[in-house]
Amino acid sequence: SAVISQKPSRDICQRGTSLTIQCQVDSQVTMMFWYRQQPGQSLTLIATANQGSEATYESGFVIDKFPISRPNLTFSTLTVSNMSPEDSSIYLCSFSGGRDRGAGNTIYFGEGSWLTVV
Amino acid sequence: DAKTTQPPSMDCAEGRAANLPCNHSTISGNEYVYWYRQIHSQGPQYIIHGLKNNETNEMASLIITEDRKSSTLILPHATLRDTAVYYCIVRALPGGTASKLTFGTGTRLQVTL
Repeated sequence: SAVISQKPSRDICQRGTSLTIQCQVDSQVTMMFWYRQQPGQSLTLIATANQGSEATYESGFVIDKFPISRPNLTFSTLTVSNMSPEDSSIYLCSFSGGRDRGAGNTIYFGEGSWLTVV
Repeated sequence: DAKTTQPPSMDCAEGRAANLPCNHSTISGNEYVYWYRQIHSQGPQYIIHGLKNNETNEMASLIITEDRKSSTLILPHATLRDTAVYYCIVRALPGGTASKLTFGTGTRLQVTL
């Protein structure tokens, strides 16, 4: 399967600032997903990003707060805007790729970006 | 996507088989059962998936009941490195294209000496 990497792996951010997380896959993939995992919680999908179209956001997430870019089939960014302490989370990039016995494409995850907002 | 129910936590002795149950009584005919695990501080790791037949790979075995309303993930010889949160996810595949994963709370497996 393809390799996926995220940057930064962790960061400490000031309240009110914005941070962009980059996600790079080493092969072309159709769909990329961004998840958030708040401390002690499970993963929550933020949005689905297809190349060449606007991201589709899940309920509770808006583009102004979490703008996403998907300029090509190997790269995506997620920006966390105007951060507050409540945005302290792990942000995970994932992609749909690989052929797996007719089940569509299995989703694989990066290692995540740990953000702490102070 | 159908909802899944898992026990919040389980213990297993190292070297023994870990059997993690999952209930998905409302699963539809076109929905697959996927298992992921998340070791502390890491991204979720794909383990295995299946539709209706039992499946086995180098990591685990997946046993799906005949009515598909429940399944069991089996780690045949658990090690301390298998300590993680295990997520059972039912995933619909409209039109054969990829679809999102919806995570529940999972089962926290603790492997002990």
